[in-house]
Amino acid sequence: DVKVTQSSRYLVKRTGEKVFLECVQDMDHENMFWYRQDPGLGLRLIYFSYDVKMKEKGDIPEGYSVSREKKERFSLILESASTNQTSMYLCASSLRGASFYEQYFGPGTRLTVT
Amino acid sequence: AQKITQTQPGMFVQEKEAVTLDCTYDTSDPSYGLFWYKQPSSGEMIFLIYQGSYDQQNATEGRYSLNFQKARKSANLVISASQLGDSAMYFCAMREKEWTGFQKLVFGTGTRLLVSP
Repeated sequence: DVKVTQSSRYLVKRTGEKVFLECVQDMDHENMFWYRQDPGLGLRLIYFSYDVKMKEKGDIPEGYSVSREKKERFSLILESASTNQTSMYLCASSLRGASFYEQYFGPGTRLTVT
Repeated sequence: AQKITQTQPGMFVQEKEAVTLDCTYDTSDPSYGLFWYKQPSSGEMIFLIYQGSYDQQNATEGRYSLNFQKARKSANLVISASQLGDSAMYFCAMREKEWTGFQKLVFGTGTRLLVSP
């Protein structure tokens, strides 16, 4: 069974803290993605990675960084959390070159920054 | 400019009736793909259906069908015989190619569907 897991379902952090969100997939997918979801804005791509140690900026990378040291794991880092980063964060993975590029999503992490 | 537009923030339907969720898209790439995802209140995104730009027939998956009108750039999701469990947020998305050749998904803002008994 296809599986993408995220380290936490709910997280509360203080302004200025360094925050790590972890994502692990067990499908041997090359591509991994981080999105944030906000009401009325849909899902917006933060960063993606198409191979180990490779990363590309998405549409809203400011304030975030990522790390992909192993194929199955993709981490999102908030270097200094701010209240405007309170959001739902979704991780996804997909095969490279799949004919229709379906992405498999994790359950999401709801982050609150106070 | 919005690449994926979902104009219905919310829709209501009675159980067992059919409902259409609208999606229009904008692209100049002749090769693209359109997806619909369902997001229940639990938060996970569930893939429902896919339509390729060169597919001749409208995609169907069980009770879900995609009404693909290429000239109008629309890809509406039709759910037949609605069930209470269909109450969720629905997102339309389009596969877009980056300058690197890498492909990513662009999502609409979503439509919340409520199915009443």
